[in-house]
Amino acid sequence: NAGVMQNPRHLVRRRGQEARLRCSPMKGHSHVYWYRQLPEEGLKFMVYLQKENIIDESGMPKERFSAEFPKEGPSILRIQQVVRGDSAAYFCASSPDRRNGYTFGSGTRLTVV
Amino acid sequence: DQQVKQNSPSLSVQEGRISILNCDYTNSMFDYFLWYKKYPAEGPTFLISISSIKDKNEDGRFTVFLNKSAKHLSLHIVPSQPGDSAVYFCAASRNSGNTPLVFGKGTRLSVIA
Repeated sequence: NAGVMQNPRHLVRRRGQEARLRCSPMKGHSHVYWYRQLPEEGLKFMVYLQKENIIDESGMPKERFSAEFPKEGPSILRIQQVVRGDSAAYFCASSPDRRNGYTFGSGTRLTVV
Repeated sequence: DQQVKQNSPSLSVQEGRISILNCDYTNSMFDYFLWYKKYPAEGPTFLISISSIKDKNEDGRFTVFLNKSAKHLSLHIVPSQPGDSAVYFCAASRNSGNTPLVFGKGTRLSVIA
């Protein structure tokens, strides 16, 4: 029973490029959450999705960031025109229902150069 | 505005002794609290939680205490083991866990053999 799978583990992008981060939830989990951890900070909520629906995106920056969780395939966090301040660890978590007993993936470390 | 505060960035404890990690919160609407443990290059792992209707929850070596009037919770680990060395995050939620988690910045625990 694989856990939450995130890929890639490390991603390096030049300023202005696009970053795509993928998250495959645990089997049977239909709720996905994305969190971001800046250096020396705690995890900050970004977005909560269920299959094909964004439920809460109150933590998403207004521009350049988008997320989806299609009917088939992984959830994708997309960052367009990356800037140095986007460098962070991005964690995905999944749960079988809306309660917070969720499981985190190992994260994607994005470095913008 | 930091709604969940972990004021000690680090803590060192001798193996076999008790580790006490503290967490304060400012939002009186929080009613569900969790502790996560994180090793380097891994995602956070759920440790233990407590609902605001309780003041204590115990799971093996881990006990969480909640003082609602002081808006304070603590995690006790006894006896501490070298494998407990990690960063510990306190997190809080509203509506019995039906809202995204708000994390503190974490406390790095070092258990010295």
